[in-house]
Amino acid sequence: DADVTQTPRNRITKTGKRIMLECSQTKGHDRMYWYRQDPGLGLRLIYYSFDVKDINKGEISDGYSVSRQAQAKFSLSLESAIPNQTALYFCATSGTGWREQFFGPGTRLTVL
Amino acid sequence: AQSVTQPDIHITVSEGASLELRCNYSYGATPYLFWYVQSPGQGLQLLLKYFSGDTLVQGIKGFEAEFKRSQSSFNLRKPSVHWSDAAEYFCAVGLPYNNNDMRFGAGTRLTVKP
Repeated sequence: DADVTQTPRNRITKTGKRIMLECSQTKGHDRMYWYRQDPGLGLRLIYYSFDVKDINKGEISDGYSVSRQAQAKFSLSLESAIPNQTALYFCATSGTGWREQFFGPGTRLTVL
Repeated sequence: AQSVTQPDIHITVSEGASLELRCNYSYGATPYLFWYVQSPGQGLQLLLKYFSGDTLVQGIKGFEAEFKRSQSSFNLRKPSVHWSDAAEYFCAVGLPYNNNDMRFGAGTRLTVKP
C-alpha cells in the first residue's frame, strides 16, 4: 500500500463550490505539506503543518484553508473554488528536521 | 530575487545517449539540494540529495549530480539514458535556516527517442 494517499485523484467542479482534498499517510511523519503544481511554475507551497497544533501558511495560501485532523491526516479546502485554482495538488510528508519529502500521487482538480 | 532555475523546459535525447539537466539557485547560504523525478500520473520521487560533504552524489536509477559552489549549480547527469527515464525532473532547494521552506524549479521534461 502507498505510504501517502490522496483522495480524490481527479475532481471536476464548478466555480463557487466548496471542495476538500484529503491526504493520509502511514509513514508516522509529523510534518505534512500541501503544494500545487502548474505547468511552467513547478511546485508551490500552500500550507504546511509540523504537528497537529501547528499550521502555517506557505507561499500561496490565499483562497485555501487546511485542517490537521490527526498526525496522519491533513486536508486542504477550497471554500469557494475559482477557475485559476485548476491545478495538480500534491500532499507530502517528512520527518523531523531536514529530510526528504515523500509525495502522494496527486489530485487533479478542474474548476469550470 | 531568490530562485531556483532550470533553464531547459524540454530536452530530447536518444536512448543510450548521455544526459545532463541543469539547475542553478540564487540563495545567500548554501542550501540543501534535491532532484526529484515525476513520471506521468505519478507523484514525485527523490532521485538524490546533497546536504554536505562529497560534492558528487549518487542517486537511484543510475543518476548522479555534482554540486558546484562557485557556480551555484547542482546539475543532474546520467551516462546512458533508458526509455523509462522519460519524465519530468525537478530541482529543489531547502533552506537550512528556515526548515519549512523548500523551493522547486519549474521542471525539465525529458523525452527519450528510440
